[in-house]
Amino acid sequence: GAGVSQSPSNKVTEKGKDVELRCDPISGHTALYWYRQSLGQGLEFLIYFQGNSAPDKSGLPSDRFSAERTGGSVSTLTIQRTQQEDSAVYLCASSLFGQTYEQYFGPGTRLTVT
Amino acid sequence: DQQVKQNSPSLSVQEGRISILNCDYTNSMFDYFLWYKKYPAEGPTFLISISSIKDKNEDGRFTVFLNKSAKHLSLHIVPSQPGDSAVYFCAARYNAGNMLTFGGGTRLMVKP
Repeated sequence: GAGVSQSPSNKVTEKGKDVELRCDPISGHTALYWYRQSLGQGLEFLIYFQGNSAPDKSGLPSDRFSAERTGGSVSTLTIQRTQQEDSAVYLCASSLFGQTYEQYFGPGTRLTVT
Repeated sequence: DQQVKQNSPSLSVQEGRISILNCDYTNSMFDYFLWYKKYPAEGPTFLISISSIKDKNEDGRFTVFLNKSAKHLSLHIVPSQPGDSAVYFCAARYNAGNMLTFGGGTRLMVKP
């Protein structure tokens, strides 16, 4: 079975541009999470989706960040007006409902803002 | 304020010996603890977890120990193999919540 996939694997963008990062969770996983890992840091929670419930956006660092999940499957993380401090690896994870303690991660998207 | 800390950024161990990776936390409301392994250019891979009501969980070469009074957990790998060389992250879940809080990671190097 396929794992979590993310695209693109690498993205270089100019400061001020918008970017979209995509995540395809494991089939059957209703929970989806976005994290980011800045250089030398641990993973930082961004947002959580569960089924059709309202997402938990408590980790989003600013209103430039938004995410949506269409049809309960694929998710897109959008960063508007990118800043250099947004440079990081953005990781998506999915899990079965209620199994927050067993999340499966994708390979990540490395975002570089120049 | 880091609620989950891994104070050793790196650890070097000889093949066949035991690797011990440590993690400290501050929030007593964490109810689940996990260890993830990460290779370069890949996402973290789930290794093993432990509920806060237990003090030990074992899976093959991997054992996680939880000391709640000390707010400390550790991952033991016995015997260590060169393929275990990776960055290991400790993570904790807050009170059946939706997210995991991660430590900064420890780079393990297992030498042949």
